[in-house]
Amino acid sequence: DTGVSQDPRHKITKRGQNVTFRCDPISEHNRLYWYRQTLGQGPEFLTYFQNEAQLEKSRLLSDRFSAERPKGSFSTLEIQRTEQGDSAMYLCASSPQTGGMSYNEQFFGPGTRLTVL
Amino acid sequence: AQSVTQLGSHVSVSEGALVLLRCNYSSSVPPYLFWYVQYPNQGLQLLLKYTTGATLVKGINGFEAEFKKSETSFHLTKPSAHMSDAAEYVCAVTRRDLNAGKSTFGDGTTLTVKP
Repeated sequence: DTGVSQDPRHKITKRGQNVTFRCDPISEHNRLYWYRQTLGQGPEFLTYFQNEAQLEKSRLLSDRFSAERPKGSFSTLEIQRTEQGDSAMYLCASSPQTGGMSYNEQFFGPGTRLTVL
Repeated sequence: AQSVTQLGSHVSVSEGALVLLRCNYSSSVPPYLFWYVQYPNQGLQLLLKYTTGATLVKGINGFEAEFKKSETSFHLTKPSAHMSDAAEYVCAVTRRDLNAGKSTFGDGTTLTVKP
């Protein structure tokens, strides 16, 4: 297994268009997270899944954003009617759930850089 | 709610000098603590973590960090900087309960190493 992968690595789109990003986690990691990182800031949590269940969504995730993980493996993040403020790096991470602890080492993908013109 | 503060968005040191990157957190209970390194156009790579036990933890590339509960700090250090250490360093915390998954990150510190 080569780690978390994300596709595409870069996306340039025009305002108002829809975009979809894909994340493939490390095999058998049942937790998957999406974060957004803008220039000069640390990553901000967007949402996370345990298997196929979306357990938490940030208030940052407006109704234009939707995330799915239909079979508990890969996940997609869709942004509808993109705005210039959506320009950011979108990071995906996965983690195992180990034993009875919630110790949570997240493994990050390389990110998808979105530019909205 | 948790928060992470990294003092100094930019730190510059000479090659061979001590590296000290500061991280303070706010949390209702002591969280799990992490330091990540981020190179341009790459994702976050875990440097080290504190979960339980010894409060001085060692990570990759010669870095270490000490959890100080009384100071709510988790500062990152390296005795001697190398040019290859130039990168963005991000501190993060995660809640200690079964249903929590998300991490809260600081805004990062850019480390520059001068020859």
